[in-house]
Amino acid sequence: SQTIHQWPATLVQPVGSPLSLECTVEGTSNPNLYWYRQAAGRGLQLLFYSIGIDQISSEVPQNLSASRPQDRQFILSSKKLLLSDSGFYLCAWSVRASGGNEQFFGPGTRLTVL
Amino acid sequence: KQEVTQIPAALSVPEGENLVLNCSFTDSAIYNLQWFRQDPGKGLTSLLLIQSSQREQTSGRLNASLDKSSGRSTLYIAASQPGDSATYLCAVRPGGGFKTIFGAGTRLFVKA
Repeated sequence: SQTIHQWPATLVQPVGSPLSLECTVEGTSNPNLYWYRQAAGRGLQLLFYSIGIDQISSEVPQNLSASRPQDRQFILSSKKLLLSDSGFYLCAWSVRASGGNEQFFGPGTRLTVL
Repeated sequence: KQEVTQIPAALSVPEGENLVLNCSFTDSAIYNLQWFRQDPGKGLTSLLLIQSSQREQTSGRLNASLDKSSGRSTLYIAASQPGDSATYLCAVRPGGGFKTIFGAGTRLFVKA
């Protein structure tokens, strides 16, 4: 069966510090991968999606970036965090195919920027 | 631009009651619609996925329907239990892309 992991589970970082959140998927190959952010009182916002290694699309302008160094590894980064980067970050995967596929989410990382 | 709305924003019901959660979307050109459950501080759990060619899906006490022409989906929960208390999210995947649009959710509380 497939499993998706995220770490760390919680993180408190000062403004201006760097960020690295990691997501890995087990039990499947060539998945589509997604990073979402859920801010307090707001819905889920898609930040990045990837259909393959080094194939990443950004949905919103921001000071975050994403990388996919391996097929089942997706990393969310920032060089300098802003207060507005606080939120709940969720990684998700789906089977790579043209549309119509179910998304499965990880446990999330709670980021607080002070 | 696709927009997804969920009504009501919050709902409190006594245990055992049958209930319906509503989701509406503005553009009927969708690939699929997915219902999720989210417990406080946790990730999303997929409940049901309805493809654009389907009218409904069932899993246990849950039944989700889809009416693309009217831009509506409903999630029916039968014989609600306190363990059903959570936020329920509806998400639409538009045709031709990977971006999924989420509603703001309905927060459900089932009283014992």
